[in-house]
Amino acid sequence: KNQVEQSPQSLIILEGKNCTLQCNYTVSPFSNLRWYKQDTGRGPVSLTIMTFSENTKSNGRYTATLDADTKQSSLHITASQLSDSASYICVVSGDDMRFGAGTRLTVKP
Amino acid sequence: DVKVTQSSRYLVKRTGEKVFLECVQDMDHENMFWYRQDPGLGLRLIYFSYDVKMKEKGDIPEGYSVSREKKERFSLILESASTNQTSMYLCASSSSGTFKNIQYFGAGTRLSVL
Repeated sequence: KNQVEQSPQSLIILEGKNCTLQCNYTVSPFSNLRWYKQDTGRGPVSLTIMTFSENTKSNGRYTATLDADTKQSSLHITASQLSDSASYICVVSGDDMRFGAGTRLTVKP
Repeated sequence: DVKVTQSSRYLVKRTGEKVFLECVQDMDHENMFWYRQDPGLGLRLIYFSYDVKMKEKGDIPEGYSVSREKKERFSLILESASTNQTSMYLCASSSSGTFKNIQYFGAGTRLSVL
């Protein structure tokens, strides 16, 4: 069964610190992997999209990595800000699209 | 900027009522999607449409129907609302390629069925 597992389920960090969110998947065939940010009460917004041949992609303070061999991705957030508090969702596309349950990040001052 | 607009942010309905959730996108996208989002479960696809008057079932279509009479508008219909349909409903659109392209989401409709 195609699945996407994210960890941790929730995370609390202090403003200015870095953090890394994990995504493991079993989706096959694989087309691309995306990370979305979802603020409370809003719809998800795309942060990055990576295909099979890409192993790193950055978007400002967000850097996503992809290891297609081990079927793992990570989202690294550098110098966190209060506005980074949100849910981060990993989405893997192949013949269909599978969503992870998300990691709830809280950045505290 | 792509804009996906959902008609209501919050809705409260009673069991057995017929409920319409409306979604409009302004980017001439071919594909439109309806998801529900529940804590711990992530987004689950209810229905999607790749063209006007076309629809495909997603993972959890039971209890729902959809309508796409115009390219920019995709409606989700709960024929007889039940309490287990209390959820956040998200609409999304994308350009052709169905599942391969970035989806743009609306702000969501939080539906409570009493």
